[in-house]
Amino acid sequence: DGGITQSPKYLFRKEGQNVTLSCEQNLNHDAMYWYRQDPGQGLRLIYYSQIVNDFQKGDIAEGYSVSREKKESFPLTVTSAQKNPTAFYLCASSIKTGLNSPLHFGNGTRLTVT
Amino acid sequence: KQEVTQIPAALSVPEGENLVLNCSFTDSAIYNLQWFRQDPGKGLTSLLLIQSSQREQTSGRLNASLDKSSGRSTLYIAASQPGDSATYLCAVKASGSRLTFGEGTQLTVNP
Repeated sequence: DGGITQSPKYLFRKEGQNVTLSCEQNLNHDAMYWYRQDPGQGLRLIYYSQIVNDFQKGDIAEGYSVSREKKESFPLTVTSAQKNPTAFYLCASSIKTGLNSPLHFGNGTRLTVT
Repeated sequence: KQEVTQIPAALSVPEGENLVLNCSFTDSAIYNLQWFRQDPGKGLTSLLLIQSSQREQTSGRLNASLDKSSGRSTLYIAASQPGDSATYLCAVKASGSRLTFGEGTQLTVNP
């Protein structure tokens, strides 16, 4: 089955620690995205990548970093600089960043930082 | 800056009822609008994508309409079922590769 796999489903960290969220896709999609979802709010774009070895900041990139060394993988690191890291993180992909390419989402990682 | 609003925030209906979810956006210069479904604790599933040149799209019991000039879209669900219970989000693409999402409507269909 083709799809997007995010792991782990739940993640707990102590304040001050960096943590990396995994996102892997076998859809052969060029573009990948990271979104953050907070209760009662819409999704907000953190970073996106249109092609391997290239990525751009989204609307709330501060305190986050990404890499895109392989087409299939787009890991997100939540650094200690992110002031409110507790949230539900969603990874998505699309065939390309063309105008009418629908997004496909993974099942998310819920990060709790205490 | 594009803003997307969904009304109502929550909706509860009896099984079998037809219902309409609303989405409005402030910048009418959009390329497309997408409706998604999200089950609790899960990712989003794409339901329908309407291109800016289209007026509506249909998939089974779902029909989405788009009125660009007024900045509005509706998602019509016919003969609702308990399995339709979820949060429905709309998102618009205005430029580049970015989508702007609404906050969603939480739908409960009671048996």
